[in-house]
Amino acid sequence: DSGVTQTPKHLITATGQRVTLRCSPRSGDLSVYWYQQSLDQGLQFLIQYYNGEERAKGNILERFSAQQFPDLHSELNLSSLELGDSALYFCASSAWGSNEQFFGPGTRLTVL
Amino acid sequence: DAKTTQPNSMESNEEEPVHLPCNHSTISGTDYIHWYRQLPSQGPEYVIHGLTSNVNNRMASLAIAEDRKSSTLILHRATLRDAAVYYCILRDSKRGSTLGRLYFGRGTQLTVWP
Repeated sequence: DSGVTQTPKHLITATGQRVTLRCSPRSGDLSVYWYQQSLDQGLQFLIQYYNGEERAKGNILERFSAQQFPDLHSELNLSSLELGDSALYFCASSAWGSNEQFFGPGTRLTVL
Repeated sequence: DAKTTQPNSMESNEEEPVHLPCNHSTISGTDYIHWYRQLPSQGPEYVIHGLTSNVNNRMASLAIAEDRKSSTLILHRATLRDAAVYYCILRDSKRGSTLGRLYFGRGTQLTVWP
Protein backbone atom coordinates (compact mmCIF):
# COMPACT_ATOMS: atom_id res chain seq x y z
CA ASP A 1 0.00 0.00 0.00
CA SER A 2 1.60 3.23 -1.23
CA GLY A 3 -0.59 5.49 0.87
CA VAL A 4 -2.04 7.14 -2.25
CA THR A 5 -5.74 6.52 -2.78
CA GLN A 6 -7.71 6.92 -5.97
CA THR A 7 -11.43 6.75 -6.57
CA PRO A 8 -13.27 5.30 -8.28
CA LYS A 9 -11.42 2.12 -9.13
CA HIS A 10 -13.42 1.58 -12.31
CA LEU A 11 -15.50 3.94 -14.38
CA ILE A 12 -17.57 3.13 -17.43
CA THR A 13 -19.14 5.93 -19.38
CA ALA A 14 -20.21 6.95 -22.86
CA THR A 15 -18.60 9.15 -25.48
CA GLY A 16 -19.24 12.83 -24.98
CA GLN A 17 -19.62 12.54 -21.24
CA ARG A 18 -17.59 14.14 -18.46
CA VAL A 19 -16.00 12.37 -15.50
CA THR A 20 -13.97 13.33 -12.45
CA LEU A 21 -11.20 11.20 -11.02
CA ARG A 22 -10.08 11.80 -7.47
CA CYS A 23 -6.73 11.33 -5.78
CA SER A 24 -5.65 11.66 -2.17
CA PRO A 25 -1.88 11.89 -1.79
CA ARG A 26 0.20 10.38 0.98
CA SER A 27 -0.02 12.29 4.21
CA GLY A 28 2.29 15.28 4.05
CA ASP A 29 3.09 15.06 0.33
CA LEU A 30 2.58 18.38 -1.39
CA SER A 31 3.27 17.26 -4.97
CA VAL A 32 0.67 15.38 -7.00
CA TYR A 33 1.19 13.99 -10.49
CA TRP A 34 -1.28 12.52 -12.96
CA TYR A 35 -0.33 9.91 -15.53
CA GLN A 36 -2.27 8.10 -18.25
CA GLN A 37 -1.49 4.55 -19.28
CA SER A 38 -2.88 3.17 -22.51
CA LEU A 39 -1.86 0.18 -24.56
CA ASP A 40 -0.61 2.21 -27.52
CA GLN A 41 0.99 5.16 -25.69
CA GLY A 42 2.32 3.52 -22.55
CA LEU A 43 2.63 5.57 -19.36
CA GLN A 44 2.45 9.30 -20.07
CA PHE A 45 2.82 12.23 -17.72
CA LEU A 46 -0.17 14.56 -17.81
CA ILE A 47 0.22 17.26 -15.18
CA GLN A 48 1.84 18.10 -11.84
CA TYR A 49 0.62 20.20 -8.94
CA TYR A 50 2.51 21.41 -5.94
CA ASN A 51 0.65 22.77 -2.92
CA GLY A 52 -2.29 23.84 -5.02
CA GLU A 53 -0.38 25.33 -7.93
CA GLU A 54 0.21 23.84 -11.35
CA ARG A 55 3.90 23.09 -11.79
CA ALA A 56 4.33 21.23 -15.03
CA LYS A 57 2.24 20.09 -17.96
CA GLY A 58 2.85 17.11 -20.14
CA ASN A 59 0.73 15.57 -22.87
CA ILE A 60 -2.56 16.69 -21.41
CA LEU A 61 -5.40 17.37 -23.82
CA GLU A 62 -7.33 20.63 -23.65
CA ARG A 63 -10.44 18.58 -22.83
CA PHE A 64 -8.72 17.51 -19.62
CA SER A 65 -8.14 19.69 -16.59
CA ALA A 66 -6.99 19.18 -13.06
CA GLN A 67 -6.76 20.98 -9.77
CA GLN A 68 -5.33 20.49 -6.32
CA PHE A 69 -7.39 21.62 -3.35
CA PRO A 70 -6.28 23.18 -0.05
CA ASP A 71 -6.50 19.78 1.65
CA LEU A 72 -4.05 18.60 -1.07
CA HIS A 73 -6.36 16.12 -2.72
CA SER A 74 -6.50 16.43 -6.48
CA GLU A 75 -9.10 15.88 -9.16
CA LEU A 76 -8.64 15.17 -12.84
CA ASN A 77 -11.58 16.22 -14.99
CA LEU A 78 -12.05 14.61 -18.39
CA SER A 79 -14.70 16.03 -20.68
CA SER A 80 -16.12 15.35 -24.14
CA LEU A 81 -14.85 11.85 -23.73
CA GLU A 82 -13.74 9.86 -26.76
CA LEU A 83 -13.15 6.15 -27.20
CA GLY A 84 -9.41 6.80 -27.19
CA ASP A 85 -9.55 8.21 -23.67
CA SER A 86 -10.11 4.70 -22.34
CA ALA A 87 -7.06 4.05 -20.20
CA LEU A 88 -5.70 3.62 -16.71
CA TYR A 89 -5.19 6.91 -14.92
CA PHE A 90 -2.63 6.98 -12.14
CA CYS A 91 -2.03 9.56 -9.52
CA ALA A 92 1.30 9.80 -7.73
CA SER A 93 2.54 11.94 -4.89
CA SER A 94 5.91 12.92 -3.52
CA ALA A 95 7.44 15.10 -0.90
CA TRP A 96 9.17 18.22 -2.21
CA GLY A 97 12.77 17.43 -3.11
CA SER A 98 12.20 13.70 -2.85
CA ASN A 99 13.34 11.41 -5.62
CA GLU A 100 10.59 8.90 -5.00
CA GLN A 101 7.05 9.08 -6.32
CA PHE A 102 4.35 6.93 -4.75
CA PHE A 103 1.66 5.76 -7.13
CA GLY A 104 -1.93 4.99 -6.39
CA PRO A 105 -3.73 1.88 -7.66
CA GLY A 106 -5.21 3.74 -10.61
CA THR A 107 -8.66 4.37 -12.05
CA ARG A 108 -9.62 2.31 -15.06
CA LEU A 109 -11.73 4.40 -17.41
CA THR A 110 -13.73 2.73 -20.15
CA VAL A 111 -15.46 4.92 -22.70
CA LEU A 112 -18.11 3.11 -24.75
CA ASP B 1 14.59 14.91 -22.06
CA ALA B 2 17.29 12.34 -22.50
CA LYS B 3 15.99 8.97 -23.58
CA THR B 4 16.70 5.48 -22.40
CA THR B 5 16.85 2.20 -24.29
CA GLN B 6 15.93 -1.10 -22.69
CA PRO B 7 15.34 -4.60 -24.04
CA ASN B 8 11.66 -5.37 -24.52
CA SER B 9 11.78 -8.52 -22.45
CA MET B 10 14.03 -10.73 -20.33
CA GLU B 11 13.61 -14.02 -18.57
CA SER B 12 15.07 -15.49 -15.44
CA ASN B 13 14.70 -18.49 -13.22
CA GLU B 14 13.62 -18.12 -9.64
CA GLU B 15 16.43 -17.50 -7.13
CA GLU B 16 18.89 -16.56 -9.87
CA PRO B 17 20.37 -13.07 -10.23
CA VAL B 18 18.92 -10.81 -12.91
CA HIS B 19 20.77 -8.01 -14.65
CA LEU B 20 18.49 -5.53 -16.41
CA PRO B 21 20.42 -3.21 -18.74
CA CYS B 22 19.63 0.36 -19.72
CA ASN B 23 21.39 2.60 -22.22
CA HIS B 24 21.24 6.36 -21.86
CA SER B 25 23.97 7.72 -24.11
CA THR B 26 22.60 11.30 -24.10
CA ILE B 27 22.46 11.60 -20.32
CA SER B 28 23.38 15.02 -18.93
CA GLY B 29 25.45 15.71 -15.87
CA THR B 30 22.42 16.60 -13.79
CA ASP B 31 20.29 13.58 -14.70
CA TYR B 32 19.58 11.04 -12.03
CA ILE B 33 18.96 7.46 -13.12
CA HIS B 34 15.74 6.09 -11.67
CA TRP B 35 14.23 2.64 -11.82
CA TYR B 36 10.58 1.90 -11.26
CA ARG B 37 8.71 -1.31 -11.76
CA GLN B 38 5.09 -2.08 -12.41
CA LEU B 39 3.64 -5.34 -11.21
CA PRO B 40 0.55 -6.68 -12.99
CA SER B 41 -2.58 -4.64 -12.27
CA GLN B 42 -0.72 -2.19 -10.02
CA GLY B 43 0.71 1.29 -10.23
CA PRO B 44 4.43 1.79 -10.74
CA GLU B 45 6.66 1.31 -7.73
CA TYR B 46 9.98 3.01 -7.00
CA VAL B 47 12.94 0.65 -6.97
CA ILE B 48 16.16 2.63 -6.78
CA HIS B 49 17.96 5.68 -8.10
CA GLY B 50 21.51 6.95 -8.45
CA LEU B 51 23.67 9.67 -9.94
CA THR B 52 27.24 8.43 -10.32
CA SER B 53 28.06 5.83 -7.73
CA ASN B 54 26.65 2.34 -7.46
CA VAL B 55 23.71 2.09 -5.08
CA ASN B 56 22.22 -0.68 -3.00
CA ASN B 57 18.94 -0.95 -1.17
CA ARG B 58 16.76 -3.73 0.13
CA MET B 59 15.16 -4.30 -3.25
CA ALA B 60 18.03 -4.12 -5.69
CA SER B 61 21.42 -2.76 -6.68
CA LEU B 62 22.15 -0.17 -9.34
CA ALA B 63 25.44 -0.33 -11.19
CA ILE B 64 26.29 2.83 -13.15
CA ALA B 65 28.96 2.85 -15.84
CA GLU B 66 31.87 5.20 -15.33
CA ASP B 67 30.82 7.34 -18.31
CA ARG B 68 27.19 7.17 -17.10
CA LYS B 69 25.97 6.19 -20.55
CA SER B 70 24.56 2.94 -19.29
CA SER B 71 23.38 1.34 -16.08
CA THR B 72 22.26 -2.04 -14.84
CA LEU B 73 19.59 -2.90 -12.32
CA ILE B 74 20.54 -6.02 -10.41
CA LEU B 75 18.05 -8.23 -8.62
CA HIS B 76 20.23 -10.53 -6.58
CA ARG B 77 17.77 -13.41 -6.27
CA ALA B 78 14.71 -13.19 -8.46
CA THR B 79 11.41 -14.30 -7.00
CA LEU B 80 8.10 -14.87 -8.73
CA ARG B 81 6.96 -11.60 -7.23
CA ASP B 82 9.65 -9.75 -9.19
CA ALA B 83 7.87 -10.46 -12.47
CA ALA B 84 7.01 -6.99 -13.68
CA VAL B 85 7.79 -4.31 -16.23
CA TYR B 86 10.96 -2.47 -15.21
CA TYR B 87 11.39 1.14 -16.30
CA CYS B 88 14.68 2.99 -16.49
CA ILE B 89 14.07 6.75 -16.32
CA LEU B 90 16.29 9.81 -16.39
CA ARG B 91 15.19 12.61 -14.14
CA ASP B 92 16.66 16.13 -14.26
CA SER B 93 17.86 17.34 -10.90
CA LYS B 94 18.72 20.92 -11.90
CA ARG B 95 17.63 23.48 -9.38
CA GLY B 96 14.49 25.22 -10.47
CA SER B 97 13.62 22.45 -12.85
CA THR B 98 9.98 21.50 -12.99
CA LEU B 99 11.01 18.08 -14.09
CA GLY B 100 9.74 16.13 -11.11
CA ARG B 101 7.69 14.35 -13.72
CA LEU B 102 8.81 10.95 -14.88
CA TYR B 103 9.02 9.97 -18.53
CA PHE B 104 8.37 6.26 -18.87
CA GLY B 105 9.50 4.38 -21.93
CA ARG B 106 8.24 0.89 -22.76
CA GLY B 107 10.42 -0.76 -20.14
CA THR B 108 11.57 -4.37 -19.91
CA GLN B 109 9.05 -7.10 -19.21
CA LEU B 110 10.75 -9.51 -16.79
CA THR B 111 9.42 -13.05 -16.66
CA VAL B 112 10.51 -15.22 -13.74
CA TRP B 113 10.17 -18.98 -14.10
CA PRO B 114 9.72 -21.23 -11.08
